[in-house]
Amino acid sequence: DVKVTQSSRYLVKRTGEKVFLECVQDMDHENMFWYRQDPGLGLRLIYFSYDVKMKEKGDIPEGYSVSREKKERFSLILESASTNQTSMYLCASSLPGAGGYTFGSGTRLTVV
Amino acid sequence: QKEVEQNSGPLSVPEGAIASLNCTYSDRVSQSFFWYRQYSGKSPELIMSIYSNGDKEDGRFTAQLNKASQYVSLLIRDSQPSDSATYLCAVNGNNFNKFYFGSGTKLNVKP
Repeated sequence: DVKVTQSSRYLVKRTGEKVFLECVQDMDHENMFWYRQDPGLGLRLIYFSYDVKMKEKGDIPEGYSVSREKKERFSLILESASTNQTSMYLCASSLPGAGGYTFGSGTRLTVV
Repeated sequence: QKEVEQNSGPLSVPEGAIASLNCTYSDRVSQSFFWYRQYSGKSPELIMSIYSNGDKEDGRFTAQLNKASQYVSLLIRDSQPSDSATYLCAVNGNNFNKFYFGSGTKLNVKP
């Protein structure tokens, strides 16, 4: 069964900590995405990547960075976690131009 | 201005009825349109895609697209309580690999 795996389902971090969220897909997809989902705001794109070592900013990149050293892995980094980054983080992957994301199960991050 | 708009609901329908979910979008160059279903506490799952004007049917689901009016809809026939979820509309932007999501419509199907 093809899938996108996010390393943690729930995570609690302290303000100011550096946080790593990992995402691995086994579908050989070129495209990978990081979204956050908040009530009333829907899914908002943080960063995306079309290829290894390639990244592009989404709509809300401030306070985040990403790394894609291998095709199957896309990491989201919160450089210095803040309480307003408490959210559900969703990783997704897709084939180029084909649309149709496959989402991971999500990481619910709480920053205290 | 939001790229993709959906009524947040909740939309309540009785079991066996047709549920109609609507979505409007702002970018005229959009070419790919998707509906995702998201159960509470779960991640979205793709249920329908549509690329051309008109209707596309898949089982109890029908997606409808009208590019001139910039709306896309999802009909669920013979609604079941298991259809109770939030339905997200996704539309691609001028970067065809990148999609914008609506905030979702919550559907409640009452037994």
